[in-house]
Amino acid sequence: DAKTTQPPSMDCAEGRAANLPCNHSTISGNEYVYWYRQIHSQGPQYIIHGLKNNETNEMASLIITEDRKSSTLILPHATLRDTAVYYCIVRVINAVGSARQLTFGSGTQLTVLP
Amino acid sequence: DGGITQSPKYLFRKEGQNVTLSCEQNLNHDAMYWYRQDPGQGLRLIYYSQIVNDFQKGDIAEGYSVSREKKESFPLTVTSAQKNPTAFYLCASSLTSSRETQYFGPGTRLLVL
Repeated sequence: DAKTTQPPSMDCAEGRAANLPCNHSTISGNEYVYWYRQIHSQGPQYIIHGLKNNETNEMASLIITEDRKSSTLILPHATLRDTAVYYCIVRVINAVGSARQLTFGSGTQLTVLP
Repeated sequence: DGGITQSPKYLFRKEGQNVTLSCEQNLNHDAMYWYRQDPGQGLRLIYYSQIVNDFQKGDIAEGYSVSREKKESFPLTVTSAQKNPTAFYLCASSLTSSRETQYFGPGTRLLVL
């Protein structure tokens, strides 16, 4: 799986958009970009994933650059409850014999400030 | 309400004691996973199961055992052979083993007395 690089921490004002970057310059053509978050002492929560097109769901938007070497997770109106560690993961899916585990890096600690 | 439940939230183990962590899902997922998370670190895979009555070791299976007698249940036993069991244990499931969107339970924190 391709390695990802994220800033260790970010702050965002409540009500503003939080833009979390992720670099994955060695991504392969069949690898998806996944985002999870983990609030302290809770299980990781799936947010969104995409291959090459931008994606949006009720939680967030995922913007993937045309060369797929980086992506940005956007929380459009951050709230205090969005304070968490956000993980960007690159994974192959639907691959026979692929490793089963999710590999979480160190992620980005997002702190939403009142 | 579909989801994954884990119990208990906190568990205390005495020296030499085996303890079992519960994981139940009502998502009709075939695949289930157990991870261990230590403070400030990522997840490490203990065991996974692709289907009922089948399971495989992950990276750190020593000192742990599992069973998968029912689709919705995947209990993890931490045996006395696991010398450093204090950690946060996370159960996850996915529709199939090759569909990698894994959904996690709330976790069980195991502490040694």
